[in-house]
Amino acid sequence: KAGVTQTPRYLIKTRGQQVTLSCSPISGHRSVSWYQQTPGQGLQFLFEYFSETQRNKGNFPGRFSGRQFSNSRSEMNVSTLELGDSALYLCASRLGDTGNEKLFFGSGTQLSVL
Amino acid sequence: QKEVEQNSGPLSVPEGAIASLNCTYSDRGSQSFFWYRQYSGKSPELIMFIYSNGDKEDGRFTAQLNKASQYVSLLIRDSQPSDSATYLCAGESGGSYIPTFGRGTSLIVHP
Repeated sequence: KAGVTQTPRYLIKTRGQQVTLSCSPISGHRSVSWYQQTPGQGLQFLFEYFSETQRNKGNFPGRFSGRQFSNSRSEMNVSTLELGDSALYLCASRLGDTGNEKLFFGSGTQLSVL
Repeated sequence: QKEVEQNSGPLSVPEGAIASLNCTYSDRGSQSFFWYRQYSGKSPELIMFIYSNGDKEDGRFTAQLNKASQYVSLLIRDSQPSDSATYLCAGESGGSYIPTFGRGTSLIVHP
């Protein structure tokens, strides 16, 4: 069974630009969550999509948005990039029907904002 | 605000010793707890989860939960250099099913 796939692996952007990251979950998983990981703040929850609907949202500004398609693939968009957006963005999938579920993480997208 | 606190370390232990990693949480509504291991440059992977008070053992790993003290720990017996990684503790409340992660503890097992 293929794992969680994130593309691209690395991105370099400049301030003010926007970026779109992609995540393909494990087949059969309907929940996709996005996390931002930085050395200072650790792993912070951005949002979760389940069956094409945003089910949960973290405390990030509106510049961070996402969506999920009917095949459960998800995209995350960051507009008007700031230097502080430089981070590893991780996507995680799970079945999503109940709690106590293991998260399966992708390899992440390392975003650098110059 | 839900918080999960971990000592960032690094925690350095000799090969063969017991490594003890600790985590406290603020949300009394947290019901389930997870330990993820993250090697440098890699993504986190689950190694243990626990939701009942007491101990849960899996191979060299033992997770301990004390809900009254809001404390979770992970013991690694017979530590190996390959256990050197960052260990992330996460707590999940009923309802949202979204785990809140601590910042992780760096473990170094030296030969």
